[in-house]
Amino acid sequence: DGGITQSPKYLFRKEGQNVTLSCEQNLNHDAMYWYRQDPGQGLRLIYYSQIVNDFQKGDIAEGYSVSREKKESFPLTVTSAQKNPTAFYLCASSRPGLAGQETQYFGPGTRLLVL
Amino acid sequence: AQSVTQLDSQVPVFEEAPVELRCNYSSSVSVYLFWYVQYPNQGLQLLLKYLSGSTLVESINGFEAEFNKSQTSFHLRKPSVHISDTAEYFCAVTYTSGTYKYIFGTGTRLKVLA
Repeated sequence: DGGITQSPKYLFRKEGQNVTLSCEQNLNHDAMYWYRQDPGQGLRLIYYSQIVNDFQKGDIAEGYSVSREKKESFPLTVTSAQKNPTAFYLCASSRPGLAGQETQYFGPGTRLLVL
Repeated sequence: AQSVTQLDSQVPVFEEAPVELRCNYSSSVSVYLFWYVQYPNQGLQLLLKYLSGSTLVESINGFEAEFNKSQTSFHLRKPSVHISDTAEYFCAVTYTSGTYKYIFGTGTRLKVLA
């Protein structure tokens, strides 16, 4: 079955620690996205990538970093510079096509908690 | 700046009653409009979208939404809800000018009561 997988489902971060969230897709989609979801705030875009080896900052990129070395993978690192990382993180992908028209397909999410 | 407003954070409704979830957007340019649904502890799934053509769009599970350009709205409706419709619903816009960025509303939590 095609889809998007995110791991782990739950992640705990200690003070000053960097953690990496995994996102893999086998849908052959070119574009991939990372969102942060907080209660009452909807989804906010962290980073997005339209092709391999290229990515752009979203609205709340500070304290996060990404890489896009393979089409299938778009890992997100939450660095120690992100002072309030507790949130639900969602990865998404979309097909190439007319920009803005394509449906985004979401993974099941990773819940990050700070110890 | 462009934005999406979902005024109702929570909407309780009895089973088999009708429901409307409101969505308004603020934009000076043409938009595409989407409704996504999120079940507890899951990712989002597309419910329906408006790209062009008929302003009334329907989903396979009985929801419909109507694009109203003059009122900059895209309200979601269902004539008779089921317990299984309990979820959070997000309205989103993208722009016809060629960006890949979505702007999401803050979500409306629909709770269907027995």
